[in-house]
This record gives sequence, structure tokens and C-alpha cells, in this order.
Amino acid sequence: DAKTTQPTSMDCAEGRAANLPCNHSTISGNEYVYWYRQIHSQGPQYIIHGLKNNETNEMASLIITEDRKSSTLILPHATLRDTAVYYCIVRETGRRALTFGSGTRLQVQP
Amino acid sequence: EAGVAQSPRYKIIEKRQSVAFWCNPISGHATLYWYQQILGQGPKLLIQFQNNGVVDDSQLPKDRFSAERLKGVDSTLKIQPAKLEDSAVYLCASSHGTPNTEAFFGQGTRLTVV
Repeated sequence: DAKTTQPTSMDCAEGRAANLPCNHSTISGNEYVYWYRQIHSQGPQYIIHGLKNNETNEMASLIITEDRKSSTLILPHATLRDTAVYYCIVRETGRRALTFGSGTRLQVQP
Repeated sequence: EAGVAQSPRYKIIEKRQSVAFWCNPISGHATLYWYQQILGQGPKLLIQFQNNGVVDDSQLPKDRFSAERLKGVDSTLKIQPAKLEDSAVYLCASSHGTPNTEAFFGQGTRLTVV
């Protein structure tokens, strides 16, 4: 699976959009981008995933650049409960195990 | 639907003792994973099952760790004998098993070896 690079930490004001970047410059054509988050003392929680097109669900939006070398997870209106570590993961089609990096620690400020 | 259930939630043991963790995946999920998460790090895959067969155990320290998934449903992970560096959260996850489906995680078991 391709390696991902994320900032170690980020801050966001409550009510504002949180934009979490991820670099995956070595991604190949059959690899998906997944985002998970882990709130303190809980297991990781699935957020969203995509291959080429931008994706949106009730939790977030995923924007993937045209060359697929980077992506951004957008939480449109961050709340204090969104404070967590966010993991960007690249996974090859067909492989089922996720390989986690260190993630980005997002702190939502009141 | 019910989530992934794990027990116990916390466990404290002395080094060289043995310990076992239990996981009940989401009903109908063919794939089950065990991850180890050391404080401050992302989860690391230990073993992956597809039904009751092992798909990947390349990162499982087989001299002390063992896992089984009888009847393709519940799973247990055992450590014998435990070392201080085994202190971590042990996470179980499950998924449908078809490609590109998400995995659902349990709350984990926090193990402290003293």
C-alpha cells in the first residue's frame, strides 16, 4: 500500500470547517483512499472512502485531486465531539487489512 | 445493528503471566482482524481471518501470541507469556469480507503488563 503523509496536529474553531490534508504521491490506480478517526479511548471509526471522484456522506466530504496524489477530508461544521486523531489510509483493491500511520490530531476549540 | 464486542475492557497482569482476549464480530461479517495499538501510535495489524482461516499473520509474534476463530464467528487472542512491551490496546475489527468495504472496530481491551 502507498505511504501517506499527514500533519501531526491541527486546530479548528467550533462551527468552522475542518480541512485535513493527506499526501499520497505514490498511490497507484487500484488503491482507494480511506479516512478513519479515533476518539480518545475508543476504537477507530470509519468516515469515508473514495477512488477517484469526490465523495460526500453525512459525516464528511472527501476531495481527491485529479492526479490522485493528495486528498482532503472536510468536516463542514466541526464540533467539540470531532476532536480526535484522523487517519488517512491508502488501501489496494482487494486487500482487506488497513495499514494505519500516525494520523493527524485534530483539536476543535470552543 | 450491534457493533463489535470485546472483553474484557481492561486487564492488568504481571510479566510472564498469560492473558486472553475475546471478540464477537458483527453478525455476518466474514473477515475479522486483531490489531495492537501502543500508546501514541496507530493500530498495527496482528492477524486477519477470513471465516475461520488465517489470511495474514505475518506480524503476529508467534512465539508468544496465538489467535483462533472457531466456527468462523467469535475469536480469541492469547499472549503467553506476556512481556512489558505487550502493554497496549488490543482492537478487534470485522468487515463483510468483500473488497473495498469498511471495517468496524470494537472499543478494545487495554492491557497493562507490570
